[in-house]
Amino acid sequence: DGGITQSPKYLFRKEGQNVTLSCEQNLNHDAMYWYRQDPGQGLRLIYYSQIVNDFQKGDIAEGYSVSREKKESFPLTVTSAQKNPTAFYLCASSLGRLNTEAFFGQGTRLTVV
Amino acid sequence: AQTVTQSQPEMSVQEAETVTLSCTYDTSENNYYLFWYKQPPSRQMILVIRQEAYKQQNATENRFSVNFQKAAKSFSLKISDSQLGDTAMYFCAFMKHGGATNKLIFGTGTLLAVQP
Repeated sequence: DGGITQSPKYLFRKEGQNVTLSCEQNLNHDAMYWYRQDPGQGLRLIYYSQIVNDFQKGDIAEGYSVSREKKESFPLTVTSAQKNPTAFYLCASSLGRLNTEAFFGQGTRLTVV
Repeated sequence: AQTVTQSQPEMSVQEAETVTLSCTYDTSENNYYLFWYKQPPSRQMILVIRQEAYKQQNATENRFSVNFQKAAKSFSLKISDSQLGDTAMYFCAFMKHGGATNKLIFGTGTLLAVQP
């Protein structure tokens, strides 16, 4: 079945550590996105990528990094510079510029302990 | 910059009744898309309905319909014959047409509870 897979579903991190969230899609979509969801704030865009080897900062990119070495994969690294990393993270993809529908993964809940 | 506002943090409706969720937005763009997404307790985001701003006709998908008022920048979602499975967080979202990327701008959400 085609879709977007995020792993792990739950992730715990100690303060000061970097952690990487995985996002893989087999929909042959060009564009991929990372959103952060906090209670009462909706979803906010962290990073997005339109094509392989290219990505752009979203509204809240500080403390995060991404890579897009393969079309299918768009991992997100939460670095120790992110001051409040505990949140729910959603990955999404879409065909690209002319197709508006975004498909979402099931999310990763990151907790800093 | 575009903003999306959902002024109802929580709503409740009886099963089989109709409920309307409100959404307003602010933009200087003339061409854009509006969406309603549903996030059930599983937290999977599901597209409910989409409206193109250039279309005057309101979008409809089975029990879900919208009331799109472009001049008022209003985009409400009506759910008819509410079912228990409609219990979820509902997000209104905006996307600029023809932009460099399909970035979605979300509202803060409305938590809908369908009561048996």
